[in-house]
Amino acid sequence: EVRLVESGGGLVKPGGSLRISCAASGFTFSSYHMNWVRQAPGKGLEWVSSISSGSNYIYYGDSVKGRFSISRDNVKNSLFLQMDSLTVEDTAVYYCARGPNGGSWNDWFDPWGQGTLVTVSS
Amino acid sequence: SYVLSQPPSVSVAPGKTATITCGGTNIGVKSVHWYQQRPGQAPKLVIYYDSSRPSGIPERFSGSNSGHTATLTISRVEAGDEADYYCQVWDNDSNHYVFGIGTKVTVL
Repeated sequence: EVRLVESGGGLVKPGGSLRISCAASGFTFSSYHMNWVRQAPGKGLEWVSSISSGSNYIYYGDSVKGRFSISRDNVKNSLFLQMDSLTVEDTAVYYCARGPNGGSWNDWFDPWGQGTLVTVSS
Repeated sequence: SYVLSQPPSVSVAPGKTATITCGGTNIGVKSVHWYQQRPGQAPKLVIYYDSSRPSGIPERFSGSNSGHTATLTISRVEAGDEADYYCQVWDNDSNHYVFGIGTKVTVL
């Protein structure tokens, strides 16, 4: 069974940092692009960042560029998101989602993890 | 950056057809994917590459894409179809993924 499990969410003060993780199982992790998508309370989905299968290509959404850093460990089948200079607007459930099997970025996200909640508050 | 437009809400009676649109400049040349998100759950893929259904998704779900509008159609709507639906594309110009704002489908 293909599975993604996020962890590391929690309460952090504005200006603080947090690193969240996503453990993948049930598929050849090193073959797939991976993604982070977030959802603020009561709001829609917002794409955060993507990383290619071999970490050669990395992309960020405009609202997080320069503050967040995506990375992966293809030996440990894990995806990470380092979040710095956090603001209250970063409060959201953060989902890990599997992307394309290499190559084109045009493909869909499937599956998604259950999400981890990041709350930024003083 | 590329923008996708969706109606905030659609209401439909059980057994009828729900039509959810996703507008974007020349979206017809892009690959559109659709996700269903039930309350308290993670998003779930229901349509990929404009009109293809993943295994396990009922035939009642169908999609199309042409010109400036992509469409998700849910036929013979059931109570369990009540959810938020999001369209998504990859924007080659900005190297960004883009989601629509989501459409809340209410079954009357």
